[in-house]
Amino acid sequence: NAGVTQTPKFQVLKTGQSMTLQCAQDMNHEYMSWYRQDPGMGLRLIHYSVGAGITDQGEVPNGYNVSRSTTEDFPLRLLSAAPSQTSVYFCASSARGSRAFFGQGTRLTVV
Amino acid sequence: QQQVKQSPQSLIVQKGGISIINCAYENTAFDYFPWYQQFPGKGPALLIAIRPDVSEKKEGRFTISFNKSAKQFSLHIMDSQPGDSATYFCAGRSGGSTLGRLYFGRGTQLTVWP
Repeated sequence: NAGVTQTPKFQVLKTGQSMTLQCAQDMNHEYMSWYRQDPGMGLRLIHYSVGAGITDQGEVPNGYNVSRSTTEDFPLRLLSAAPSQTSVYFCASSARGSRAFFGQGTRLTVV
Repeated sequence: QQQVKQSPQSLIVQKGGISIINCAYENTAFDYFPWYQQFPGKGPALLIAIRPDVSEKKEGRFTISFNKSAKQFSLHIMDSQPGDSATYFCAGRSGGSTLGRLYFGRGTQLTVWP
């Protein structure tokens, strides 16, 4: 019973590099989302998806791309990393009307 | 515009004391108000939640008080323990077409001294 799995756990990128943060859930949840967590700012929504093939922007979408080709996977792409994207990233999933489950997070540093 | 405002930002309580964290919201379409607990290096985990048709919900030492007319809700931790030291987030969830989008407060870092 894995729940929500995020990879990698840690990543260091150079400015301008691109990368994909992986998120997978095995609970058949419709709703998946990506948050970033910065000190004193709480959890801010980047992008979310209400089902395969459907995505939408959250509060802070600039510089990030998502797609949802399957129910299980919701990868987050950084197109050209910037130091302002240094953060801890969390993926979450939930079924309609139920609690959200979070992954363990990816700590990203952009130098 | 922040949809859920949380206070205080940090809280220090002695073991055995009561911890109180407050949240206020604007969006009357919120249909569910969860509290999440997060330990260092971990993802947030659901602690307790309430729906707006209920004024109070208690689970063990944790109680949510909900005031719909004032658009406020609070978490009370009775007999606080060092193991409760964590960051707590309140949230409101919008229903309907957004299928459970959560709006989080900025978090409260709770430290319980032994």
